[in-house]
Amino acid sequence: QVQLVQSGAEVKKPGASVKVSCKASGYTFTSYGISWVRQAPGQGLEWMGWISAYNGNTNYAQKLQGRVTMTTDTSTSTAYMELRSLRSDDTAVYYCARMVVNSSGRYGVWFDPWGQGTLVTVSS
Amino acid sequence: SYVLTQPPSVSVAPGKTARITCGGNNIGSKSVHWYQQKPGQAPVLVIYYDSDRPSGIPERFSGSNSGNTATLTISRVEAGDEADYYCQVWDSSSDHLVVFGGGTKLTVL
Repeated sequence: QVQLVQSGAEVKKPGASVKVSCKASGYTFTSYGISWVRQAPGQGLEWMGWISAYNGNTNYAQKLQGRVTMTTDTSTSTAYMELRSLRSDDTAVYYCARMVVNSSGRYGVWFDPWGQGTLVTVSS
Repeated sequence: SYVLTQPPSVSVAPGKTARITCGGNNIGSKSVHWYQQKPGQAPVLVIYYDSDRPSGIPERFSGSNSGNTATLTISRVEAGDEADYYCQVWDSSSDHLVVFGGGTKLTVL
C-alpha cells in the first residue's frame, strides 16, 4: 500500500536548523510531488511548499522563503524538508503528503496519503 | 490571497446528517478537497475533486460545490466521525498555492 513514513520527533534551540525525512513506498516515487504541511499546537493546517520528485523543482510558501529547503533522494524514495533559523513559533507537527494532480478538465491538486507527522519543538 | 471560510464547529446527533460548509469567492470554479483529522492523527482525504470518494471512505461521505460555497455532507453520522474537517483548494493566483480552510470541529452529541 502507498505509505509515507517520517522521521522522529526533534527538539531544537532557537536559531538552529531541523531536517525532517519522509520515506515513500508502494508507488513510483518520481511520478508524484511531495508537499509539506505543518500544524502548530491547536491550530489549522499550513502549507509550506512542494517539490517535484521527478525533476526537483520546488515552490515554497512566501512566508518561508529563504528559511526552507525541500529536497529528494530518488535512490531511496525519500523526501527531506530543512527549516533554518528556527523560532518558537515554528513549533509544530510537520507532515509530508503525496501530491495528486489532475490537469484534465478543472485543475486540481490534493494530498493522499499523509505521513504520520513529526513533532518539532523549538525551545531554549 | 484566496481565503476559505469554515464554521469553527458543527454539532449533530448520531444518525442525523451533518453539513460542513467551506466558503470562498467563486469557489465553484475550483476543485475542492476535504480531509478528516482525528486527535493525534494525520489528516485523511475523504473527498476529492468536489465529490469523489477515495477507496475505503464510506458512501455516507459526500460533497458538492457551487457558487461561493462547497459542502461536505456526512449522512447517518456515527460517533467515529467526530473529528476536525478541513477543505482545501489550489489557487494559482495566490502566493500560497495551496489554501486550507480554518477547519471545523464536528461534535457528535
